[in-house]
Amino acid sequence: AQSVTQLDSHVSVSEGTPVLLRCNYSSSYSPSLFWYVQHPNKGLQLLLKYTSAATLVKGINGFEAEFKKSETSFHLTKPSAHMSDAAEYFCVVSQLQTGANNLFFGTGTRLTIIP
Amino acid sequence: DTEVTQTPKHLVMGMTNKKSLKCEQHMGHRAMYWYKQKAKKPPELMFVYSYEKLSINESVPSRFSPECPNSSLLNLHLHALQPEDSALYLCASSQETGSDTEAFFGQGTRLTVV
Repeated sequence: AQSVTQLDSHVSVSEGTPVLLRCNYSSSYSPSLFWYVQHPNKGLQLLLKYTSAATLVKGINGFEAEFKKSETSFHLTKPSAHMSDAAEYFCVVSQLQTGANNLFFGTGTRLTIIP
Repeated sequence: DTEVTQTPKHLVMGMTNKKSLKCEQHMGHRAMYWYKQKAKKPPELMFVYSYEKLSINESVPSRFSPECPNSSLLNLHLHALQPEDSALYLCASSQETGSDTEAFFGQGTRLTVV
């Protein structure tokens, strides 16, 4: 079975400082991993995905994530936080079952940006 | 067009009402999903349609009834709901059903059952 664990329920950073949102995964084989962002009262937007190609994945809005098999981690980073980055972030692993894809969401990390 | 459109955006219904949530995509995606998201929780899968056939039903109560009239549309029919069913209902679609395929989400319908 696949699962993800987001290690921090809430992260606060100052505007202009780096962002690190942590995610560990559990998978019996090479997983497909995603980061999604959800702004208040909005749907989910894909930031980036890892699908066993390059281990360093670049996404939208300056975010990137590194897949580390030895650490079973897929942490999300951004060099410099912007006020518009304040949102809920979900680490997601997918599992193919009975001919369809199921996405398993982590519990989410709320990112607060301090002016 | 890279959007998944959900209507209505907000819905308030009584426990004896019958209502429907609608979802539409014109990206040619062959898989469509319904998720339920309670406040401050991650989305939880309810149903998956693959090529217009129900592939996954995550033990959802029968008061929720999905329907996929064609490859672009997905409905969720609601009947005799309970207050605990109040949540954000998210529709998503993906091009295929492979595990490396990302899903595109709609803005959701915020449902309140009174």
